Amino acid sequence: DVKVTQSSRYLVKRTGEKVFLECVQDMDHENMFWYRQDPGLGLRLIYFSYDVKMKEKGDIPEGYSVSREKKERFSLILESASTNQTSMYLCASTQNSPLHFGNGTRLTVT
Amino acid sequence: DQQVKQNSPSLSVQEGRISILNCDYTNSMFDYFLWYKKYPAEGPTFLISISSIKDKNEDGRFTVFLNKSAKHLSLHIVPSQPGDSAVYFCAASVGTNAGKSTFGDGTTLTVKP
Repeated sequence: DVKVTQSSRYLVKRTGEKVFLECVQDMDHENMFWYRQDPGLGLRLIYFSYDVKMKEKGDIPEGYSVSREKKERFSLILESASTNQTSMYLCASTQNSPLHFGNGTRLTVT
Repeated sequence: DQQVKQNSPSLSVQEGRISILNCDYTNSMFDYFLWYKKYPAEGPTFLISISSIKDKNEDGRFTVFLNKSAKHLSLHIVPSQPGDSAVYFCAASVGTNAGKSTFGDGTTLTVKP
């Protein structure tokens, strides 16, 4: 079974802080993704990566960056956290289809 | 412009009856559709998918129907069980690269014993 692990279930950060969300998958998947989930907006794609050191913008990349130094690890970075980045963040991986999601990180920015 | 819409935020059905969850899309390039189920405090898990070359796909109690001309798909759960209570997300993609799926808002299904 595919396991996608997100390092934190809950995070509380202050406005302006730099925030790192970590994600690790154990199935040697090429593709990894970061989504955020907000009420009434569904899941929206922030960034994705098809290979180590490769990254592509999703639908809402503003205010975020990512890092993929190893195949199994995909990090989401909030350079300067803002209150509108309070959300549920979901990491996912896949070789092709379907997506395998982690359990999410609930981030609150105060 | 929301390309995938689930117009019913919630649905409540009695155990043993049929649950029908609906999804509409606007982008005619979408040719692969998936349903995910999400329990509280867990990530979404894949449930069932359908390619545009089919109009129906069945997996146990779950059946997905696709009406390409209407740009509409639906998920049927028969019979519904209390354990099916969850949020259901419809997703659509161009090709089977499901990672770049566009998701709907989700429908919260409650199955009452």
